[in-house]
Amino acid sequence: GENVEQHPSTLSVQEGDSAVIKCTYSDSASNYFPWYKQELGKRPQLIIDIRSNVGEKKDQRIAVTLNKTAKHFSLHITETQPEDSAVYFCAAYNFNKFYFGSGTKLNVKP
Amino acid sequence: SAVISQKPSRDICQRGTSLTIQCQVDSQVTMMFWYRQQPGQSLTLIATANQGSEATYESGFVIDKFPISRPNLTFSTLTVSNMSPEDSSIYLCSVEGGTSLSSYNEQFFGPGTRLTVL
Repeated sequence: GENVEQHPSTLSVQEGDSAVIKCTYSDSASNYFPWYKQELGKRPQLIIDIRSNVGEKKDQRIAVTLNKTAKHFSLHITETQPEDSAVYFCAAYNFNKFYFGSGTKLNVKP
Repeated sequence: SAVISQKPSRDICQRGTSLTIQCQVDSQVTMMFWYRQQPGQSLTLIATANQGSEATYESGFVIDKFPISRPNLTFSTLTVSNMSPEDSSIYLCSVEGGTSLSSYNEQFFGPGTRLTVL
């Protein structure tokens, strides 16, 4: 089955700086890669996603890049704000299932 | 996006009892999933529930412990049977499928059920 690894497990940045979270996957059949943000006590919320036929996608301060050859994808958050503080999960999708990374706790210091 | 509700939102149960969690979606969906999330951990898939067929369980999860029903395309239940303190966790249902071709893989989560077993 698919194996998704996520790094770092915790990330602390100063407000206004950029944050990058990286994930690798093992199964080349995976074709959809969503990112979720989970605030304390809340459900995971989809914030951005990318499909295997695209190399990069951007939505305001958030971007995701995908390198299919190397089997890794990354989440980039620019101009971080305190409200970006949360746990972020990457996932890979294939054969009708989502495989999640272990999560990154992002702390944005004001 | 799909609107998903879960009941109960939380419960405290005694060891050895069972709890049934309900998941209701505001639109018809083919794929529904049940996850467990322990504090500070990632999401672990328990099973995939498709309407009209038996649920498919992941390694480490069995039907006797986590029976699932999927009577129609908008509803599912997960029962946690013969509970022990190790079952204390948050249980989330989710659905796959957006409203357009470009969003057909999108996954949406219910608010979760926080279960504490004493």
